[in-house]
Amino acid sequence: EAQVTQNPRYLITVTGKKLTVTCSQNMNHEYMSWYRQDPGLGLRQIYYSMNVEVTDKGDVPEGYKVSRKEKRNFPLILESPSPNQTSLYFCATHPGASYYEQYFGPGTRLTVT
Amino acid sequence: AQKVTQAQTEISVVEKEDVTLDCVYETRDTTYYLFWYKQPPSGELVFLIRRNSFDEQNEISGRYSWNFQKSTSSFNFTITASQVVDSAVYFCALDPDNNNDMRFGAGTRLTVKP
Repeated sequence: EAQVTQNPRYLITVTGKKLTVTCSQNMNHEYMSWYRQDPGLGLRQIYYSMNVEVTDKGDVPEGYKVSRKEKRNFPLILESPSPNQTSLYFCATHPGASYYEQYFGPGTRLTVT
Repeated sequence: AQKVTQAQTEISVVEKEDVTLDCVYETRDTTYYLFWYKQPPSGELVFLIRRNSFDEQNEISGRYSWNFQKSTSSFNFTITASQVVDSAVYFCALDPDNNNDMRFGAGTRLTVKP
């Protein structure tokens, strides 16, 4: 079964405590992305990766890091989380150019106090 | 600039009513792709449709239909005979080159009351 998994699904943390949200896909897709969803703003892309070791900034990359050491994994790292990073995060993946459907993970709800 | 506007923040209807969700987009590209996603209360994102800019045919899938009009830069979504299970947030999105630059609208929250 085609799957995009994210962990954790829910996280409450404190300002400044480093955290990592993992994303894994089993579809051998080239492209992976991270989005954040905020009320009234829809989803905005944070970072994306076109292949292993190839990553680039999306629209709202400040305060985030990513890495793509393996094709299936694309972790999102918050080195020093702040309250304005409280949001719902989605990982997404698709096979490449001219994709038909982008597959989204189940989401991670992060609260930074 | 690439932009998607969903002017309707919230819509409330009674079951069996028809409802149209508006989506207006901006792009300078001649080739682009438009999408609709559904986000039910459980939170996941469910793909509904992709349409490319060269295909202006309307599409119908069961109770769902989409009206794509390049002349008005709109890609509206109609649910016929709405049901309570249609209650969700619906997102319209634009990817200018179907590569990896998807821009989402703010979403429309649809509530269907029994």
